[in-house]
Amino acid sequence: DTGVSQDPRHKITKRGQNVTFRCDPISEHNRLYWYRQTLGQGPEFLTYFQNEAQLEKSRLLSDRFSAERPKGSFSTLEIQRTEQGDSAMYLCASSLLGTGNTIYFGEGSWLTVV
Amino acid sequence: AQTVTQSQPEMSVQEAETVTLSCTYDTSESDYYLFWYKQPPSRQMILVIRQEAYKQQNATENRFSVNFQKAAKSFSLKISDSQLGDAAMYFCAYRSGLGGNEKLTFGTGTRLTIIP
Repeated sequence: DTGVSQDPRHKITKRGQNVTFRCDPISEHNRLYWYRQTLGQGPEFLTYFQNEAQLEKSRLLSDRFSAERPKGSFSTLEIQRTEQGDSAMYLCASSLLGTGNTIYFGEGSWLTVV
Repeated sequence: AQTVTQSQPEMSVQEAETVTLSCTYDTSESDYYLFWYKQPPSRQMILVIRQEAYKQQNATENRFSVNFQKAAKSFSLKISDSQLGDAAMYFCAYRSGLGGNEKLTFGTGTRLTIIP
């Protein structure tokens, strides 16, 4: 069990460019989550998947954001036309199906928009 | 909507001493879960301890224990025999017990410094 892995760990992009982050959850974890964390704040929920179905999206997830989990395994989070306010750590997490199961986090993908 | 409040942005403790981190939350639900996560400088969030709201007994994990006061909606974390490796951001988090409401709601965190 290698844990939740995220790629890239760091990304610097110019305003207006598109970026994509990838998350590989713990093997056999049905649920996959995306959170955003800015400096000095706790993580904020963005969206989550159960297998390949996206079951909930936060209001924080504007039209420029899209997340997919096409085969119920890895997931991608794409941000189109990046803005400086998108600069943050994007955290992926996964868990087994079942209310109250522990959610395990990856190390995050740090985005800087210049 | 549920909210989680951590009123101590920073705390420090002498190595080997005990420290308590505070957390309060607001919810109208009766079934829920509470968590303390640790985020060291490497940034990976690690679960420290969890508490099911229906359990009256406070959770304990080695040097970490909680004081869960359901009526007061308080969930503090006590770290005994503090070690240098305990230095990190600590986040309190809430998760509903209702099926289909899977997200964690986090507080703003407490930065814990261990003084050698």
